[in-house]
Amino acid sequence: AAGVIQSPRHLIKEKRETATLKCYPIPRHDTVYWYQQGPGQDPQFLISFYEKMQSDKGSIPDRFSAQQFSDYHSELNMSSLELGDSALYFCASSLGISVLDTQYFGPGTRLTVL
Amino acid sequence: KNQVEQSPQSLIILEGKNCTLQCNYTVSPFSNLRWYKQDTGRGPVSLTIMTFSENTKSNGRYTATLDADTKQSSLHITASQLSDSASYICVVSVRRDSGNTPLVFGKGTRLSVIA
Repeated sequence: AAGVIQSPRHLIKEKRETATLKCYPIPRHDTVYWYQQGPGQDPQFLISFYEKMQSDKGSIPDRFSAQQFSDYHSELNMSSLELGDSALYFCASSLGISVLDTQYFGPGTRLTVL
Repeated sequence: KNQVEQSPQSLIILEGKNCTLQCNYTVSPFSNLRWYKQDTGRGPVSLTIMTFSENTKSNGRYTATLDADTKQSSLHITASQLSDSASYICVVSVRRDSGNTPLVFGKGTRLSVIA
């Protein structure tokens, strides 16, 4: 079965650079979530989209922005990167926005900021 | 403050043995509780999800319990296998009137199954 696809899997950037992470949800899923997991930490919710509209916002820095496109894929844009942004970024998708809908996680993008 | 606490932090068991992982939460208002399995460097995989009215749910060798009164949950793994070695994360949803709800994650229990 198709799963959530994230690209790239690994990314190395320098401070103050920009990065774009992409997430392709499971086919027919209409909701996308972004999470940030720092080294040895639990994942932190960043932002979510339902039917191409932002549905919820968590601890996403102002330097980050995201959107969901007409084909339901989502992109997380990160600017003015800082060392502390080094983390594993997970995207999850679900069919529907109900709290009972299972979120299926992608493999993550490991971002390293030097 | 909404928090999810898990114990033990790490656990080593022999292959074939059973084990139980604990999760205590202070999330309010409570919506549902999920257990995820996360392999190192991989995305979490959902094992079970339970609402307020459910107190037991099984998924193969995994059985989760929920006591909404004491705000405790447990994940019991029977006949452990080497492939069960992973982090097990307890995740609780905060109930809101509209929109989806973000999840409050515990720090996980690191389980190692050895031969």
